[in-house]
Amino acid sequence: NAGVTQTPKFRILKIGQSMTLQCTQDMNHNYMYWYRQDPGMGLKLIYYSVGAGITDKGEVPNGYNVSRSTTEDFPLRLELAAPSQTSVYFCASSLGGSNTEAFFGQGTRLTVV
Amino acid sequence: QQQVKQSPQSLIVQKGGISIINCAYENTAFDYFPWYQQFPGKGPALLIAIRPDVSEKKEGRFTISFNKSAKQFSLHIMDSQPGDSATYFCAALRGGYNKLIFGAGTRLAVHP
Repeated sequence: NAGVTQTPKFRILKIGQSMTLQCTQDMNHNYMYWYRQDPGMGLKLIYYSVGAGITDKGEVPNGYNVSRSTTEDFPLRLELAAPSQTSVYFCASSLGGSNTEAFFGQGTRLTVV
Repeated sequence: QQQVKQSPQSLIVQKGGISIINCAYENTAFDYFPWYQQFPGKGPALLIAIRPDVSEKKEGRFTISFNKSAKQFSLHIMDSQPGDSATYFCAALRGGYNKLIFGAGTRLAVHP
């Protein structure tokens, strides 16, 4: 039981490049989330999904896209990388309903130069 | 708009002392208030949580105090240990939405 797995752990992108951050969970959780963490700013919700085929915007969605074709996977897409997207990205999942505990992955440290 | 405000930003406590971190929220629709603990290079992990129908919850050395009328809640770490050194995040969630909104975090350092 691996929990929430994120890849890659580190990545350097040039301005204007695109990439996909991968996230997969093996707990059969309905809810999945993408957060970004910036120093002194806490975790900001980018996008979330309540189940396969359903996604919605969080607090800071601009510059990102997501899809949820399966229960297990929730990739985050950056189309035109900008320096403002330099951050640590965390994927999380929760069962939903009355079970609200969120389980986080190890994070992806992204630098845009 | 910061829905959950956390203070202090950083905290230094001597071993054996009490660490206190405070949070305030604005949305009265929030009905679940967890605290997450994060060690360097790791993702946050749930530490303890409370719902607004109780004023206090204790798990070992960790206690949440909740003041519904003031819209405030706090984390108390008794007998703080160097192993407690981490970043702590308060959060709030509105029932039925399952979107956790986090505070800015508090970096705690417990000195031996």
